[in-house]
Amino acid sequence: DAGVIQSPRHEVTEMGQEVTLRCKPISGHNSLFWYRQTMMRGLELLIYFNNNVPIDDSGMPEDRFSAKMPNASFSTLKIQPSEPRDSAVYFCASSLRRRQETQYFGPGTRLLVL
Amino acid sequence: TQLLEQSPQFLSIQEGENLTVYCNSSSVFSSLQWYRQEPGEGPVLLVTVVTGGEVKKLKRLTFQFGDARKDSSLHITAAQPGDTGLYLCAGIPSYDKVIFGPGTSLSVIP
Repeated sequence: DAGVIQSPRHEVTEMGQEVTLRCKPISGHNSLFWYRQTMMRGLELLIYFNNNVPIDDSGMPEDRFSAKMPNASFSTLKIQPSEPRDSAVYFCASSLRRRQETQYFGPGTRLLVL
Repeated sequence: TQLLEQSPQFLSIQEGENLTVYCNSSSVFSSLQWYRQEPGEGPVLLVTVVTGGEVKKLKRLTFQFGDARKDSSLHITAAQPGDTGLYLCAGIPSYDKVIFGPGTSLSVIP
């Protein structure tokens, strides 16, 4: 079975540009997570969806970040406008039902904002 | 605010050595997970411990959950270069909540 799929794997953009990260969770999983990882702050939860509904978005940094899950097999994380401090590795993960269960992480998107 | 602390933050050892890393909190967790993240990859679950005092073994890795369910340790025997990575603990304080620690970065030198 395919794991969590993320695209793109790498993204280099200039400050002010819009960035869209994409995620396909494992089929049959009802929970989806977006994380950001940096050396300084570690792994931070940005948003958690359950059954396509945002349950916890307390980690979304500010209005420049938005996330959608239009159906059970697709989610996007958008940054507009991007800033250099957004440079990080962004992970998508999914779990079968709830977030305390095993989370399966994708390979991550490495974002560099110049 | 519930926080997880991990120590040490960085660890560099020679192949064949033993090591222990720690995960501590002032909060009680219903269960605790350990993930390993290899360079350039996402974290992968190694184990979940549920009962206070529980010990689980995974080949050369031994995981222990504290009696009070506030802390955990991971012991690696005869470390190998393939053990290199970031070890994250994740505490589950209540239903549908999980808290990740900052991680211990392990480097095993051949």
